[in-house]
Amino acid sequence: QSALTQPPSVSGSPGQSVTISCTGSSSDVGYYNHVSWYQQTPGTAPKLIIFEVSNRPSGVPHRFSGSKSGNTASLTISGLQTEDEADYYCCSHTSSITWVFGAGTKLTVL
Amino acid sequence: QVQLQESGPGLVTPSQTLSLTCTVSGGSITSGSYYWSWIRQPAGKGLEWFGRIFHSGSTNYNPSLKSRVTISIDTSQNQFSLRLTSVTAADTAVYYCVRGPGSNSGEAFDLWGQGTLVSVSS
Repeated sequence: QSALTQPPSVSGSPGQSVTISCTGSSSDVGYYNHVSWYQQTPGTAPKLIIFEVSNRPSGVPHRFSGSKSGNTASLTISGLQTEDEADYYCCSHTSSITWVFGAGTKLTVL
Repeated sequence: QVQLQESGPGLVTPSQTLSLTCTVSGGSITSGSYYWSWIRQPAGKGLEWFGRIFHSGSTNYNPSLKSRVTISIDTSQNQFSLRLTSVTAADTAVYYCVRGPGSNSGEAFDLWGQGTLVSVSS
């Protein structure tokens, strides 16, 4: 199984919006609505911020949103805050009953 | 609330077997019909899913690792374990035990242990 494709880095200024893409195939991202996103700051475990493409766990701010079109999922962060600076990973359920991650995207808040 | 804690050797000799245990506290490993997984992250790199186990013992594995991996569960101890054989330096990573994925966790990994660093070196 191949890793999902994410841009290595994105950046934005406080208050702006950024979108991180996650491209897979018809066997993973395009197969199920089982895409999730994780936020990881240095030295800590990843934290779930989006599940089933667009659902937010309790406690995750509404400025984090997810979507999907075909084989590409996206995470949008609106109203960027300095605390959003982190690595972001997408993950998808595959048709083979496995889970595959993207390589991660480093978000820099300028 | 439910918490996960990894335990095991921090140093493993090349060609030997890496064994880690995850202890689930604050709730039963059999309640809520959750799956339980292992995920690793080499320094500065991304996340890799090993596989998952249900309290019945049913498992699914990452095909790229399947030949070397065994995940088991001990419901009496509220623990699940990872066994990785024939390790090399490439297996050096932070290893996480995680709840999910499954229908009761939104098909996602919703609860993570703090992670444990395992180095493979002679």
